[in-house]
Amino acid sequence: GQQVMQIPQYQHVQEGEDFTTYCNSSTTLSNIQWYKQRPGGHPVFLIQLVKSGEVKKQKRLTFQFGEAKKNSSLHITATQTTDVGTYFCAGNTGGFKTIFGAGTRLFVKA
Amino acid sequence: DAGVIQSPRHEVTEMGQEVTLRCKPISGHDYLFWYRQTMMRGLELLIYFNNNVPIDDSGMPEDRFSAKMPNASFSTLKIQPSEPRDSAVYFCASSWDRTYNEQFFGPGTRLTVL
Repeated sequence: GQQVMQIPQYQHVQEGEDFTTYCNSSTTLSNIQWYKQRPGGHPVFLIQLVKSGEVKKQKRLTFQFGEAKKNSSLHITATQTTDVGTYFCAGNTGGFKTIFGAGTRLFVKA
Repeated sequence: DAGVIQSPRHEVTEMGQEVTLRCKPISGHDYLFWYRQTMMRGLELLIYFNNNVPIDDSGMPEDRFSAKMPNASFSTLKIQPSEPRDSAVYFCASSWDRTYNEQFFGPGTRLTVL
Protein backbone atom coordinates (compact mmCIF):
# COMPACT_ATOMS: atom_id res chain seq x y z
CA GLY A 1 0.00 0.00 0.00
CA GLN A 2 0.91 3.64 -0.14
CA GLN A 3 3.68 4.66 2.24
CA VAL A 4 5.02 8.03 3.27
CA MET A 5 8.50 7.95 4.74
CA GLN A 6 9.81 10.87 6.76
CA ILE A 7 13.34 11.57 7.99
CA PRO A 8 14.95 12.23 10.33
CA GLN A 9 13.00 10.80 13.23
CA TYR A 10 14.53 13.29 15.66
CA GLN A 11 16.58 16.45 15.33
CA HIS A 12 18.31 18.40 18.08
CA VAL A 13 19.40 21.92 17.18
CA GLN A 14 20.76 24.94 18.94
CA GLU A 15 18.47 27.95 18.80
CA GLY A 16 19.32 29.92 15.68
CA GLU A 17 20.37 26.89 13.64
CA ASP A 18 18.41 25.73 10.62
CA PHE A 19 16.29 22.58 10.46
CA THR A 20 15.03 20.46 7.58
CA THR A 21 12.73 17.45 7.46
CA TYR A 22 12.20 15.32 4.35
CA CYS A 23 9.26 13.32 3.16
CA ASN A 24 9.17 10.64 0.45
CA SER A 25 6.19 8.80 -0.96
CA SER A 26 6.16 5.42 -2.64
CA THR A 27 3.56 6.73 -5.09
CA THR A 28 2.86 9.99 -6.89
CA LEU A 29 0.83 12.34 -4.75
CA SER A 30 -1.97 14.66 -5.75
CA ASN A 31 -1.04 16.95 -2.88
CA ILE A 32 0.94 17.00 0.33
CA GLN A 33 0.17 18.70 3.60
CA TRP A 34 2.32 19.63 6.56
CA TYR A 35 1.17 19.64 10.17
CA LYS A 36 2.80 20.60 13.45
CA GLN A 37 2.03 18.92 16.76
CA ARG A 38 3.25 20.49 19.97
CA PRO A 39 4.07 18.11 22.86
CA GLY A 40 0.79 16.98 24.40
CA GLY A 41 -1.21 18.71 21.68
CA HIS A 42 -2.95 17.84 18.46
CA PRO A 43 -1.80 18.20 14.85
CA VAL A 44 -2.31 21.67 13.43
CA PHE A 45 -2.39 22.28 9.70
CA LEU A 46 0.47 24.39 8.33
CA ILE A 47 0.18 24.28 4.55
CA GLN A 48 -0.80 22.27 1.48
CA LEU A 49 1.26 21.93 -1.71
CA VAL A 50 -0.38 20.85 -4.94
CA LYS A 51 1.74 21.77 -7.93
CA SER A 52 4.87 20.03 -9.14
CA GLY A 53 7.96 21.96 -7.99
CA GLU A 54 5.88 24.26 -5.81
CA VAL A 55 7.65 26.33 -3.15
CA LYS A 56 5.78 28.19 -0.43
CA LYS A 57 7.04 30.29 2.44
CA GLN A 58 5.56 31.17 5.79
CA LYS A 59 7.91 33.55 7.59
CA ARG A 60 10.89 31.34 8.53
CA LEU A 61 9.34 28.16 7.11
CA THR A 62 9.91 27.07 3.50
CA PHE A 63 7.97 24.18 1.99
CA GLN A 64 8.86 22.42 -1.25
CA PHE A 65 7.09 19.84 -3.37
CA GLY A 66 9.26 17.79 -5.72
CA GLU A 67 9.00 17.86 -9.49
CA ALA A 68 7.77 14.26 -9.54
CA LYS A 69 5.30 14.97 -6.73
CA LYS A 70 6.75 12.12 -4.68
CA ASN A 71 8.83 14.07 -2.20
CA SER A 72 8.64 17.20 -0.10
CA SER A 73 10.63 19.11 2.47
CA LEU A 74 10.12 21.62 5.23
CA HIS A 75 12.97 23.94 6.10
CA ILE A 76 13.02 26.23 9.13
CA THR A 77 15.53 29.05 9.13
CA ALA A 78 17.00 30.23 12.42
CA THR A 79 14.98 28.00 14.73
CA GLN A 80 13.38 29.37 17.87
CA THR A 81 12.24 27.59 21.00
CA THR A 82 8.66 28.07 19.83
CA ASP A 83 9.41 25.78 16.89
CA VAL A 84 9.63 22.77 19.22
CA GLY A 85 7.27 19.96 18.30
CA THR A 86 6.73 17.18 15.78
CA TYR A 87 6.35 18.02 12.12
CA PHE A 88 4.31 15.64 9.99
CA CYS A 89 3.92 15.43 6.27
CA ALA A 90 0.69 13.91 5.00
CA GLY A 91 0.30 12.64 1.47
CA ASN A 92 -2.87 12.35 -0.52
CA THR A 93 -3.30 10.40 -3.76
CA GLY A 94 -6.82 11.64 -4.39
CA GLY A 95 -9.99 11.89 -2.39
CA PHE A 96 -9.60 12.52 1.31
CA LYS A 97 -7.59 9.48 2.39
CA THR A 98 -4.47 11.02 3.88
CA ILE A 99 -1.38 9.01 4.82
CA PHE A 100 0.76 10.60 7.50
CA GLY A 101 4.51 10.25 7.75
CA ALA A 102 6.01 9.16 11.07
CA GLY A 103 6.96 12.73 11.87
CA THR A 104 10.19 14.50 12.79
CA ARG A 105 10.46 15.61 16.35
CA LEU A 106 12.37 18.88 16.72
CA PHE A 107 14.17 19.80 19.91
CA VAL A 108 15.55 23.33 20.21
CA LYS A 109 18.10 24.19 22.85
CA ALA A 110 18.17 27.80 23.98
CA ASP B 1 -16.10 28.58 16.65
CA ALA B 2 -15.36 26.00 19.33
CA GLY B 3 -13.40 23.76 16.98
CA VAL B 4 -13.66 19.98 16.97
CA ILE B 5 -14.86 18.71 20.33
CA GLN B 6 -13.96 15.29 21.68
CA SER B 7 -15.02 13.53 24.83
CA PRO B 8 -13.86 12.20 27.12
CA ARG B 9 -10.36 13.71 27.12
CA HIS B 10 -9.02 10.81 29.15
CA GLU B 11 -10.38 7.31 29.59
CA VAL B 12 -8.99 4.53 31.73
CA THR B 13 -10.71 1.19 31.52
CA GLU B 14 -10.09 -2.46 32.10
CA MET B 15 -9.53 -5.05 29.43
CA GLY B 16 -12.78 -6.44 28.10
CA GLN B 17 -14.83 -3.33 28.77
CA GLU B 18 -16.65 -1.38 26.08
CA VAL B 19 -15.25 2.07 25.28
CA THR B 20 -17.09 4.81 23.41
CA LEU B 21 -15.31 7.91 22.16
CA ARG B 22 -17.30 10.90 20.96
CA CYS B 23 -16.70 13.66 18.48
CA LYS B 24 -18.49 16.81 17.41
CA PRO B 25 -17.07 18.22 14.17
CA ILE B 26 -16.93 21.87 13.24
CA SER B 27 -20.32 23.04 12.05
CA GLY B 28 -20.58 22.97 8.26
CA HIS B 29 -17.77 20.47 7.78
CA ASP B 30 -18.92 17.48 5.78
CA TYR B 31 -15.87 15.24 6.24
CA LEU B 32 -15.03 13.56 9.53
CA PHE B 33 -11.95 11.46 10.28
CA TRP B 34 -10.93 9.19 13.13
CA TYR B 35 -7.19 8.70 13.75
CA ARG B 36 -5.21 6.70 16.26
CA GLN B 37 -1.76 7.82 17.41
CA THR B 38 0.81 5.61 19.13
CA MET B 39 4.56 5.80 19.49
CA MET B 40 5.01 2.57 17.55
CA ARG B 41 2.63 3.15 14.65
CA GLY B 42 2.40 6.94 14.47
CA LEU B 43 -0.78 8.60 13.25
CA GLU B 44 -3.09 6.13 11.52
CA LEU B 45 -6.32 6.92 9.71
CA LEU B 46 -8.99 4.52 10.95
CA ILE B 47 -12.06 5.65 9.04
CA TYR B 48 -13.55 8.70 7.42
CA PHE B 49 -17.07 9.86 6.64
CA ASN B 50 -18.49 12.18 4.03
CA ASN B 51 -21.95 13.57 4.70
CA ASN B 52 -22.39 11.03 7.51
CA VAL B 53 -21.62 8.07 5.22
CA PRO B 54 -18.51 5.94 5.86
CA ILE B 55 -16.25 6.22 2.81
CA ASP B 56 -13.16 4.27 3.77
CA ASP B 57 -12.85 2.06 6.83
CA SER B 58 -9.83 0.09 5.65
CA GLY B 59 -7.82 1.40 8.57
CA MET B 60 -10.13 -0.02 11.22
CA PRO B 61 -7.92 -2.62 12.91
CA GLU B 62 -10.50 -5.33 13.49
CA ASP B 63 -14.12 -6.12 14.19
CA ARG B 64 -13.81 -4.91 17.75
CA PHE B 65 -13.78 -1.37 16.37
CA SER B 66 -16.86 0.32 14.97
CA ALA B 67 -17.70 3.91 14.07
CA LYS B 68 -20.98 5.66 13.43
CA MET B 69 -22.09 9.08 12.38
CA PRO B 70 -25.84 9.35 12.99
CA ASN B 71 -25.95 13.03 12.03
CA ALA B 72 -23.75 15.85 10.81
CA SER B 73 -22.80 16.99 14.29
CA PHE B 74 -21.93 13.77 16.06
CA SER B 75 -19.79 10.68 15.63
CA THR B 76 -18.74 7.81 17.86
CA LEU B 77 -15.88 5.34 17.82
CA LYS B 78 -16.59 2.22 19.83
CA ILE B 79 -14.21 -0.52 20.94
CA GLN B 80 -15.80 -3.69 22.25
CA PRO B 81 -14.16 -5.52 23.92
CA SER B 82 -11.15 -3.30 24.62
CA GLU B 83 -7.62 -4.70 24.90
CA PRO B 84 -4.40 -3.21 26.32
CA ARG B 85 -2.97 -2.81 22.80
CA ASP B 86 -5.79 -0.37 22.04
CA SER B 87 -4.16 2.14 24.40
CA ALA B 88 -3.45 5.24 22.33
CA VAL B 89 -4.55 8.79 21.67
CA TYR B 90 -7.58 8.88 19.40
CA PHE B 91 -8.10 12.02 17.35
CA CYS B 92 -11.16 13.16 15.49
CA ALA B 93 -10.72 15.67 12.67
CA SER B 94 -13.08 17.43 10.29
CA SER B 95 -12.77 19.15 6.95
CA TRP B 96 -15.01 20.87 4.43
CA ASP B 97 -13.11 22.17 1.45
CA ARG B 98 -12.96 19.64 -1.37
CA THR B 99 -10.06 21.34 -3.11
CA TYR B 100 -8.08 22.20 -0.02
CA ASN B 101 -7.77 19.26 2.31
CA GLU B 102 -6.99 21.07 5.54
CA GLN B 103 -8.09 18.95 8.45
CA PHE B 104 -8.96 20.44 11.82
CA PHE B 105 -8.07 18.11 14.66
CA GLY B 106 -9.77 17.84 18.01
CA PRO B 107 -7.78 17.69 21.26
CA GLY B 108 -7.86 13.90 21.30
CA THR B 109 -8.92 11.23 23.78
CA ARG B 110 -6.13 9.48 25.63
CA LEU B 111 -7.27 5.89 26.15
CA THR B 112 -5.58 3.54 28.59
CA VAL B 113 -6.72 -0.06 28.75
CA LEU B 114 -5.40 -1.93 31.78
